[in-house]
Amino acid sequence: GENVEQHPSTLSVQEGDSAVIKCTYSDSASNYFPWYKQELGKRPQLIIDIRSNVGEKKDQRIAVTLNKTAKHFSLHITETQPEDSAVYFCAPSSGNTPLVFGKGTRLSVIA
Amino acid sequence: KAGVTQTPRYLIKTRGQQVTLSCSPISGHRSVSWYQQTPGQGLQFLFEYFSETQRNKGNFPGRFSGRQFSNSRSEMNVSTLELGDSALYLCASSDSMPGVGANVLTFGAGSRLTVL
Repeated sequence: GENVEQHPSTLSVQEGDSAVIKCTYSDSASNYFPWYKQELGKRPQLIIDIRSNVGEKKDQRIAVTLNKTAKHFSLHITETQPEDSAVYFCAPSSGNTPLVFGKGTRLSVIA
Repeated sequence: KAGVTQTPRYLIKTRGQQVTLSCSPISGHRSVSWYQQTPGQGLQFLFEYFSETQRNKGNFPGRFSGRQFSNSRSEMNVSTLELGDSALYLCASSDSMPGVGANVLTFGAGSRLTVL
C-alpha cells in the first residue's frame, strides 16, 4: 500500500512569511495529489490539487509542485495570514485506491 | 445543495457495546468513504463504497464493518467497543467513479465517539 510522509510535522512562521510543506509517497502509480486543510474543530477541506501530467499549479497565495521522479509534492503558501493556521494533509492516490492521508502538518502563523 | 450529513454528532459508549454511525452523502454522489481521526494517527482509511459495493477496506479489525444502501447513504458499525476506538469518525462523499478522474472528497462534520 501507499506510504505517505509529511514534513515538517509542525511549522511556525511569522505573518507575511512563506510556508512550505513536503509530502513524500511510495506508490509510483499515484497520479492525483491533493492537499486538504483542517481548521481547529472543523472538517478537512480540499484547498488545491494537481494531477501527474502537471508540474505546478497555483491558486492565489497557494501552490502545489510535483516531482514524480522523486515521488514528492509540496504545498507552498506565500504571504501567510493568521487564517492560514490549521493542519494540512496531503493525500496522494491512484485512480483505484482510496486517498491515503499523511499524518498532517500543524501550521501556526504568528501575528 | 446539502452537504454531507453525519449522525449522531456525539456519542458516549462503554467498552463491549456496539455503535452504528450514519452518513448521508451529497445528493448525486455515489461514492462514500470513512476515516478514523485520532490526534496521534491523523486520518486513517476505514472503507470506501460505490453503488452499494465495498471497493476498498483499510487495515482495521473485523469489528469494524460498513455498508451502503441503494440511496447511497452509508452506515458503519463497530462491535465490542474498546477504549482505543474513541475517535472522530469522518465520512466523505465524492461524485467520481472509482478509477476515473480525481477523487475529490467532501467531508461531513464527523461523529465523535467516546468509549468509557
